[in-house]
Amino acid sequence: DIQMTQSPSSVSASVGDRVTITCRASQGINSWLTWYQQKPGKAPKVLIYAASNLESGVPSRFSGSASGTDFTLTITSLQPEDFATYYCQQASTFPLTFGGGTKVEIK
Amino acid sequence: EVQLVETGGGLIQPGGSLRLSCVASGVTVSSSYMTWVRQAPGKGLEWVSFIYTGGTTYYGDSVEGRFTISRDNSKNTLYLQMNSLRAEDTAVYYCATTSVWPQRGAFDIWGQGTMVTVSS
Repeated sequence: DIQMTQSPSSVSASVGDRVTITCRASQGINSWLTWYQQKPGKAPKVLIYAASNLESGVPSRFSGSASGTDFTLTITSLQPEDFATYYCQQASTFPLTFGGGTKVEIK
Repeated sequence: EVQLVETGGGLIQPGGSLRLSCVASGVTVSSSYMTWVRQAPGKGLEWVSFIYTGGTTYYGDSVEGRFTISRDNSKNTLYLQMNSLRAEDTAVYYCATTSVWPQRGAFDIWGQGTMVTVSS
């Protein structure tokens, strides 16, 4: 199975900060990587698909990039509504797998 | 409006069975790639099962042999039959879908989730 190692597990940040979250795949997954945002009590929401494609309707302060088996989600200027938990998910091989999540908290 | 609504959750004793349903509207289950994802209380997301439009199915290691995904095209409904339930199956179960696989690899429509509690 492909393991997705996500870091950090939590980050404290202020409004306006730049936040970077990383996911490392245990083997190559090409660009089959999705980033989700989840708020308490709600279902996940797609932010980025295929590693670097911004989902329709998602603010442009969110971006994704890839380098080999390392994938990065960047929020360039954190907004109050961005405080949430973020997950990566690989879609290269079954079983599909999620990263452990990164909770973005208010500093 | 595209919507997925899960039902069927509840309290069940260890070793018991439960069937979850996911009724779709605004999207056709038979022509969509559908999945179940669960989230234990206070924990992260765990992928459970997937069904291709052609009917091929896949399962996570922790549920293989115990859970079965299926669909009823006439009812536009996705199911998850869960047998031999264990305490560690306690979670909110979400159904989700995408119309493009694997090019997007992302599930863009989710239900609200249904809670399954396995306890004596």
